Amino acid sequence: GESVGLHLPTLSVQEGDNSIINCAYSNSASDYFIWYKQESGKGPQFIIDIRSNMDKRQGQRVTVLLNKTVKHLSLQIAATQPGDSAVYFCAENGGSNYKLTFGKGTLLTVNP
Amino acid sequence: GAVVSQHPSWVICKSGTSVKIECRSLDFQATTMFWYRQFPKQSLMLMATSNEGSKATYEQGVEKDKFLINHASLTLSTLTVTSAHPEDSSFYICSAISSGRNTDTQYFGPGTRLTVL
Repeated sequence: GESVGLHLPTLSVQEGDNSIINCAYSNSASDYFIWYKQESGKGPQFIIDIRSNMDKRQGQRVTVLLNKTVKHLSLQIAATQPGDSAVYFCAENGGSNYKLTFGKGTLLTVNP
Repeated sequence: GAVVSQHPSWVICKSGTSVKIECRSLDFQATTMFWYRQFPKQSLMLMATSNEGSKATYEQGVEKDKFLINHASLTLSTLTVTSAHPEDSSFYICSAISSGRNTDTQYFGPGTRLTVL
């Protein structure tokens, strides 16, 4: 079946560096994508979203890039901080029904 | 705004007993809520979609008689794990869609850790 997956299961960066977390999706019907941050023992926290009519969206210290041609999504975190350490999930909506399909997740570790 | 709570935050029960988990939207009305299950170091897997006033829609492979869902009001959905077994031990997370906001955005609860002995 179609699914959302991630290239890198773990990512370790130095504090202050920029982080890039990647996600590949295969459902061409998806038109809405979201990045979530999940800290240990907590529910997912919304970070940023993007619709398929855009290829880039910026938030505070975060940028999401969408490449529909290769079905690729990325999350860029600028000046990564220890508080950014968490598991990051991408999710897609499959085009309808509000249901989200989550990717496998990437564990980001920020070293001081 | 858009706060979702879950109760309890954790629960330990004996095998064969039933456990009820509540999901509440605190400052908005949610016509649709979702229940997810997450095993350690794995992603969230959608179990079912809960619609206020109607039967829940279960994902393939999820037993509806084992995971009872009730969405009796616009702010409350409950998940009851019946005759729980150790393999049901997991992190259960709910989310809600606000009928008055962007309906693509799901607001997640903090999760409930279920441990079945």
